[in-house]
Amino acid sequence: EAQVTQNPRYLITVTGKKLTVTCSQNMNHEYMSWYRQDPGLGLRQIYYSMNVEVTDKGDVPEGYKVSRKEKRNFPLILESPSPNQTSLYFCASEGTGELFFGEGSRLTVL
Amino acid sequence: SQQGEEDPQALSIQEGENATMNCSYKTSINNLQWYRQNSGRGLVHLILIRSNEREKHSGRLRVTLDTSKKSSSLLITASRAADTASYFCATDPGANNLFFGTGTRLTVIP
Repeated sequence: EAQVTQNPRYLITVTGKKLTVTCSQNMNHEYMSWYRQDPGLGLRQIYYSMNVEVTDKGDVPEGYKVSRKEKRNFPLILESPSPNQTSLYFCASEGTGELFFGEGSRLTVL
Repeated sequence: SQQGEEDPQALSIQEGENATMNCSYKTSINNLQWYRQNSGRGLVHLILIRSNEREKHSGRLRVTLDTSKKSSSLLITASRAADTASYFCATDPGANNLFFGTGTRLTVIP
């Protein structure tokens, strides 16, 4: 089954404690992206990757890092999380113009 | 902002009725897409309409695009309770990003 898998689905952490949200897709897509979804703001792109070792900033990259060492994986790293990064995060990969989304990772930073 | 804007923000209808949602945007686009999101879940792609297309159908969905007015509409015919979800338009200006609106929350009452 074609899918994008994110982990963890839910996470509560404290300010400053580094965390990584993993994302994996099994569709051999070259393009992958991270979004955050906040009430009243819709989805905003954090980072995207056109292919292995090629990443670029989206609209709201501050406080985040990504890497793309393998085609299937695109982890999102929060080096020093802050409360304003409390959000619902989605990973997505693109095939033929449409995005395939993961189920989301709800992150709370206290 | 390059985000699309959906209208209305919320819509409540009886099962069997048609639901119409509108999207307005500001920049030129390559295509416009509609996505559906069940509460707290990942977004699911519904339909893509290219800038040179005016109307597209998929099952009970009908999408129109008017590039001169920079607007699109999504019509769901013969709605069902299972159609209850949030619906988002996303514009693709060809900048390695999809710009999502804040969505229309549709409630279909059985």
